[in-house]
Amino acid sequence: DAKTTQPNSMESNEEEPVHLPCNHSTISGTDYIHWYRQLPSQGPEYVIHGLTSNVNNRMASLAIAEDRKSSTLILHRATLRDAAVYYCILHRNAGKSTFGDGTTLTVKP
Amino acid sequence: DTGVSQDPRHKITKRGQNVTFRCDPISEHNRLYWYRQTLGQGPEFLTYFQNEAQLEKSRLLSDRFSAERPKGSFSTLEIQRTEQGDSAMYLCASSLAADNEKLFFGSGTQLSVL
Repeated sequence: DAKTTQPNSMESNEEEPVHLPCNHSTISGTDYIHWYRQLPSQGPEYVIHGLTSNVNNRMASLAIAEDRKSSTLILHRATLRDAAVYYCILHRNAGKSTFGDGTTLTVKP
Repeated sequence: DTGVSQDPRHKITKRGQNVTFRCDPISEHNRLYWYRQTLGQGPEFLTYFQNEAQLEKSRLLSDRFSAERPKGSFSTLEIQRTEQGDSAMYLCASSLAADNEKLFFGSGTQLSVL
């Protein structure tokens, strides 16, 4: 299974941008890059996904490297409610997604 | 649309007992997934259904685990003869079959085996 590598933890100040990196050097051409986040005692929540091009939505932006071997989730202005564990996963249509251990984001007021 | 619903939220059982969890996906979603998550780790895939067909099972799913989705709507996950190592959060997710499907997760069932 294709795997992703993320830093264990990151810190940010409130209202500053946050860049969460993810490496996925074994990605295949049919893998979509998905990001989810999880708060304590809750299930993961979808954030954003993409295939090749950069993507924007109301929650975040996703920047995908040209070779697709890495990506970065960008939170433009971190809030205290953005503190969570962020998972970068590779999702293939009609199959399982493999979650790593994610990045724990701490947002300081 | 009330999202993915899981029941119960918490289950405490004694070792050796059987337990069953239920998942109600978002109504129009034809794919349903089960994951297991232990403290400090990411979710681990267990199995997934497309409609009522169980299409993939993880090696983690031992013979004591069985999952069903009889009418392609709700699903149940049963664990027989529970062991302390089965203690975990069991998550259900659903999605629409598409090339870029998004997973919608429930809040999970927290199982504690004493």
